[in-house]
Amino acid sequence: DTAVSQTPKYLVTQMGNDKSIKCEQNLGHDTMYWYKQDSKKFLKIMFSYNNKELIINETVPNRFSPKSPDKAHLNLHINSLELGDSAVYFCASSQGTLNTEAFFGQGTRLTVV
Amino acid sequence: GENVEQHPSTLSVQEGDSAVIKCTYSDSASNYFPWYKQELGKGPQLIIDIRSNVGEKKDQRIAVTLNKTAKHFSLHITETQPEDSAVYFCAASKNTGFQKLVFGTGTRLLVSP
Repeated sequence: DTAVSQTPKYLVTQMGNDKSIKCEQNLGHDTMYWYKQDSKKFLKIMFSYNNKELIINETVPNRFSPKSPDKAHLNLHINSLELGDSAVYFCASSQGTLNTEAFFGQGTRLTVV
Repeated sequence: GENVEQHPSTLSVQEGDSAVIKCTYSDSASNYFPWYKQELGKGPQLIIDIRSNVGEKKDQRIAVTLNKTAKHFSLHITETQPEDSAVYFCAASKNTGFQKLVFGTGTRLLVSP
């Protein structure tokens, strides 16, 4: 069983389109995250949700809108995609906001052409 | 805020050799230092961590050392194997939760048979 699963694994789309990435965790965790990994492998947090509530929103364009329908799911919707949005997006989860260990999904490679 | 630098960016070794990856951090209040391994096509996975109250920690072939005075910490892998080939990330935080981790820029380790 995959603990943190993301879909799709690969996503190729044209500039200006709107797309969504889905994330689900079966670990019973209450905190979920979205990270962006750029072409140089740099990992940077985008959002953090605890019990479906947004607790961290880093400097991310408002074209990115996370949605957490329940504690086990955190989806990422991106409007008006730009070339610079091309990256690998990772979902992660942990138990509690003070826990320093988290489990990552396998990533979604988004390519905007 | 915290800034974490990681060196080298790439490291090639022969199977059986040792590999050392070094990180420096800027915030002297940081007290938690994990290391993550990211295999091709997968998300980062925690492999070892160290807290500021100890200077060294070992787990089989991997060890981490911490020098609080110099604000640097290192990952040591002995008797490297081809399956150790991956990208390794260091990170630092004040132990206030996973979302506060600041990641290094990653080291691509290649172990040749």
